[in-house]
Amino acid sequence: DTEVTQTPKHLVMGMTNKKSLKCEQHMGHRAMYWYKQKAKKPPELMFVYSYEKLSINESVPSRFSPECPNSSLLNLHLHALQPEDSALYLCASSQEWNRGNSPLHFGNGTRLTVT
Amino acid sequence: DAKTTQPPSMDCAEGRAANLPCNHSTISGNEYVYWYRQIHSQGPQYIIHGLKNNETNEMASLIITEDRKSSTLILPHATLRDTAVYYCIVRVGGGGADGLTFGKGTHLIIQP
Repeated sequence: DTEVTQTPKHLVMGMTNKKSLKCEQHMGHRAMYWYKQKAKKPPELMFVYSYEKLSINESVPSRFSPECPNSSLLNLHLHALQPEDSALYLCASSQEWNRGNSPLHFGNGTRLTVT
Repeated sequence: DAKTTQPPSMDCAEGRAANLPCNHSTISGNEYVYWYRQIHSQGPQYIIHGLKNNETNEMASLIITEDRKSSTLILPHATLRDTAVYYCIVRVGGGGADGLTFGKGTHLIIQP
């Protein structure tokens, strides 16, 4: 069990669909993250939110649209994805201050398959 | 750019101590060493972190050399459930959120 909850656990979508991934944490963390992980590869950072504002976008294509409606929730809106976007999408959270001493806590991810 | 170097894979017998090395020869004074592990199909799990001193918690011990250019994660009594990919990550301190940059990690296999 983790303190970061991601839904759904699995998602299959067509290339013309619009879907959203959701992430929730109740640890009072003010930094939240989206990562993408392809099979047999390490996680790759996509986005960082700090106090509900987007602070880092790692040149992610616009078909991925993040949203942080409040300090506990993080969404990733998906539109017009390609089969190569199939991956495990991981959410994480941490304290925003004193980041050296603030571990990231990860959810167990959403396994996305684009058909 | 990879800031850490780890062996791609290691074996360890069940019940023995697993010692996982990590080289971070270019580490700066304000950078912390973090260890995570990822069991198949789960999210990365935080294990331990440190700056200069050795650290111990209920999961593991972290030994950092005096010059801070390398470290060792020690799982004192490995079990089959410790089979996972272990990531050693260097992270700069300070304020603000920055994420973690994962390298390829070490695939630790615990043998019965």
